[in-house]
Amino acid sequence: DQQVKQNSPSLSVQEGRISILNCDYTNSMFDYFLWYKKYPAEGPTFLISISSIKDKNEDGRFTVFLNKSAKHLSLHIVPSQPGDSAVYFCAASESGTASKLTFGTGTRLQVTL
Amino acid sequence: NAGVTQTPKFRILKIGQSMTLQCAQDMNHNYMYWYRQDPGMGLKLIYYSVGAGITDKGEVPNGYNVSRSTTEDFPLRLELAAPSQTSVYFCASTKDLGLAYGYTFGSGTRLTVV
Repeated sequence: DQQVKQNSPSLSVQEGRISILNCDYTNSMFDYFLWYKKYPAEGPTFLISISSIKDKNEDGRFTVFLNKSAKHLSLHIVPSQPGDSAVYFCAASESGTASKLTFGTGTRLQVTL
Repeated sequence: NAGVTQTPKFRILKIGQSMTLQCAQDMNHNYMYWYRQDPGMGLKLIYYSVGAGITDKGEVPNGYNVSRSTTEDFPLRLELAAPSQTSVYFCASTKDLGLAYGYTFGSGTRLTVV
C-alpha cells in the first residue's frame, strides 16, 4: 500500500521554464513533508521541507506548496536549469515516529536546453 | 568532510553468503536509518535507531539485522543472502530535533546477489 505517490515517473521541461513536480499522500497523520533530489550513483540530498501548519515554503528557486485538504503537495522550480536534471523524491513523516520517512517512487526531471 | 560514510560502494554476493554493510557518521546525530531502493521504487525503511543501544524494525526488516554500539556506527548485517536482496542500500542520519533539515544520506552500497 503506497502511502506517498508520485504519479508522474518523468517530466521534461525547457531551461528557464517552471518545473512542477507533484506528490499525493493517503495517510492523514503525516505532518511533515520533504523533497529530495538524487543524481545517479549518489545518495539523495535534501532540498526543502514543509510542516503541515504551513501551506507554502520557499528557498531560492524552490517552492513547496501543501494542500492538506487534498492531501497533495507540489515542488516548483523556477527557473529550471540543466543542473536540476535528477530524480526527485517526495517524503512524509508523522510526529512521534522517530523522524521515519515514507518515500514516493520518484519523478525523473529532465531540463532541456 | 563531515557526513555519512558507507562501505563498500559495490558488492556481489553469492546466494547464502553473509556480509555487513558499514555506515558511519561524524555529525553526532542520534537518529540513524537504513533504507533500500529497488529499481523504479522509492526508498523503503529496513531498520532504524534513535541512539546507541536502541534499534527497531522498519517496513522491510526480514533477512537483515543491525546493531548500534556507538553513536557513530550503524552496521547492517545480511545473513543468508537471497536474490531479493539485490538493491541499493542507503544509510542516513539526522539529529533528534525534527526534520527541518532532513536526513543526511550516504552515497549508497550497490549489492547484487547471484
